Amino acid sequence: AQKITQTQPGMFVQEKEAVTLDCTYDTSDPSYGLFWYKQPSSGEMIFLIYQGSYDQQNATEGRYSLNFQKARKSANLVISASQLGDSAMYFCAMREGPEVTFGTGTKLQVIP
Amino acid sequence: SQTIHQWPATLVQPVGSPLSLECTVEGTSNPNLYWYRQAAGRGLQLLFYSVGIGQISSEVPQNLSASRPQDRQFILSSKKLLLSDSGFYLCAWSTLAGGIREQFFGPGTRLTVL
Repeated sequence: AQKITQTQPGMFVQEKEAVTLDCTYDTSDPSYGLFWYKQPSSGEMIFLIYQGSYDQQNATEGRYSLNFQKARKSANLVISASQLGDSAMYFCAMREGPEVTFGTGTKLQVIP
Repeated sequence: SQTIHQWPATLVQPVGSPLSLECTVEGTSNPNLYWYRQAAGRGLQLLFYSVGIGQISSEVPQNLSASRPQDRQFILSSKKLLLSDSGFYLCAWSTLAGGIREQFFGPGTRLTVL
């Protein structure tokens, strides 16, 4: 079974609008971490945001927020006020102990 | 500050040839180290990870192997490359020390097997 599932291969969003990228996960480990990374066309992996399984508050980092719904095992990324530079691949990942696995990614395109 | 190096940046190899990709980390000790492969337009596939010298966990059985001869050195190898080995190879490190939680990635190696 897939540990991380990203069901949206591609998304479009109008500049300055908000967009939600979906991520669901599967684990029986009570202690885990969830991440989102951005990968522009250059290939570099840019860390965006982290949520621990025991964190009470949803993580936020600037325009990025993580909508963590533990019971549903979902960790959606919300990008507010989209910018043209946000166009990239976005990956959700989960850490269980030392092992980190990634989803298949969502390609986000911001339209002027 | 911590840095991670990968080389070479690009590589073109014939089918059946050997492979050695090297990754080194500076500025941290006893990191967890990872090798990922990304096929064109696809997600990251975890190949190997290591929590210490000589300790390698393999995620996908294939013709690749990994070794960690030193604390901050991680090597990805193959004795005979296949066409399907083409892709973008990323090395990463992480640690839970000092509250650091995320993985830090190297610049990657683009491997083309012809």
